[in-house]
Amino acid sequence: AQRVTQPEKLLSVFKGAPVELKCNYSYSGSPELFWYVQYSRQRLQLLLRHISRESIKGFTADLNKGETSFHLKKPFAQEEDSAMYYCALSPFGNTGTASKLTFGTGTRLQVTL
Amino acid sequence: NAGVMQNPRHLVRRRGQEARLRCSPMKGHSHVYWYRQLPEEGLKFMVYLQKENIIDESGMPKERFSAEFPKEGPSILRIQQVVRGDSAAYFCASSNANTEAFFGQGTRLTVV
Repeated sequence: AQRVTQPEKLLSVFKGAPVELKCNYSYSGSPELFWYVQYSRQRLQLLLRHISRESIKGFTADLNKGETSFHLKKPFAQEEDSAMYYCALSPFGNTGTASKLTFGTGTRLQVTL
Repeated sequence: NAGVMQNPRHLVRRRGQEARLRCSPMKGHSHVYWYRQLPEEGLKFMVYLQKENIIDESGMPKERFSAEFPKEGPSILRIQQVVRGDSAAYFCASSNANTEAFFGQGTRLTVV
């Protein structure tokens, strides 16, 4: 069975401070890992996926297979980063990025002045 | 392109009634996925459909729940004889094969 754990329900940081949203997973095969973001009153949208190795809006995430983690990081938080963040896992090679995703319970990031 | 459209946004049903949730995928998308989010939980996969076919329904409850994606028209998630435990947010996403999936804004079902 696959599982995604996001230990923090709420993370509050000051503007300009570094951000790390934690995500750990358990899966017996090769996973694909994703971060989704939901801004206030908006739809859930894909932020980044580990295989693309991109930096989106200053966020990066590295898959650490030894620690089974996929933490989301940003060196300097901005107010507009305030949102709900979900880590998700899919079996590698699964057709379509939304097929059989397993989501964590989400972390609300609050960036304050 | 209006994106993935779900309606209604909010739906209230009494116990024992039927709930029908609609999802219109993005233009050109032929894959639809339904997810359910119970309070304080993450989104959980329910079913994956392509036009007129159910590809994977491993996350669907065995009874009362059904889904379809007809050749014409939106995908429908149908819940018969709703119970309080069905109260949740139901999300639909659409994609083409191996492309990013886009989510709708969800339907919040409340069973009273």
